[in-house]
Amino acid sequence: DVVMTQSPLSLPVTLGQPASISCRSSQSLVYSDGNTYLNWFQQRPGQSPRRLIYKVSNRDSGVPDRFSGSGSGTDFTLKISRVEPEDVGVYYCMQGTHWPPYSFGQGTKLEIK
Amino acid sequence: QVQLVESGGGLVKPGGSLRLSCAASGFTFSDYYMSWIRQAPGKGLEWVSYISTSSRYSNYADFVKGRFTISRDDAKNSLYLQMNSLRAEDTAVYYCVRGTREPLNWGQGTLVTVSS
Repeated sequence: DVVMTQSPLSLPVTLGQPASISCRSSQSLVYSDGNTYLNWFQQRPGQSPRRLIYKVSNRDSGVPDRFSGSGSGTDFTLKISRVEPEDVGVYYCMQGTHWPPYSFGQGTKLEIK
Repeated sequence: QVQLVESGGGLVKPGGSLRLSCAASGFTFSDYYMSWIRQAPGKGLEWVSYISTSSRYSNYADFVKGRFTISRDDAKNSLYLQMNSLRAEDTAVYYCVRGTREPLNWGQGTLVTVSS
């Protein structure tokens, strides 16, 4: 199974400051079709997860441009350029390249300092 | 807009069975792979199963293989998860999700509690 390791697991951030979350996979996430199926999700308190980023760096419709994804192979990063109050929640990376099973990171809890 | 509405969760004893349903709307259901993902209370996300279009094939995480069965009814725009031989560790919110490699839309989830 592919293990996804996120860091940090807890991320206190001052409003308006940047934030960065790292995600590492135990195997390369490049699929045979040439794509890298690395997604990022946000889960606000009491809500279902919401996809923010797919294929490493593609932002979903309606996602503010302060969110960006980068990386390749086994190392990936989610960055928030300026944290807003509505960004509080848990962020998960997820690989959709290797089954079984597709897998998530442990989650990073972002809170406001 | 896309809507996924789960139902069928509840309290069940260890060894018991439950059938979850997911009613889909707002998109052409038959065109999409569908999945079940779960989240134990206060824990992270965990893949359970997915099913292809036309029900050609399905796949399961090892921890549910042989106990859970995923199915779909394209005429009813519905996804199902038959859960047998339930264990305490199966206690979780179960989400119905559109897609597999790049899951986009999630339902609100239905809580399954396995306890005596």
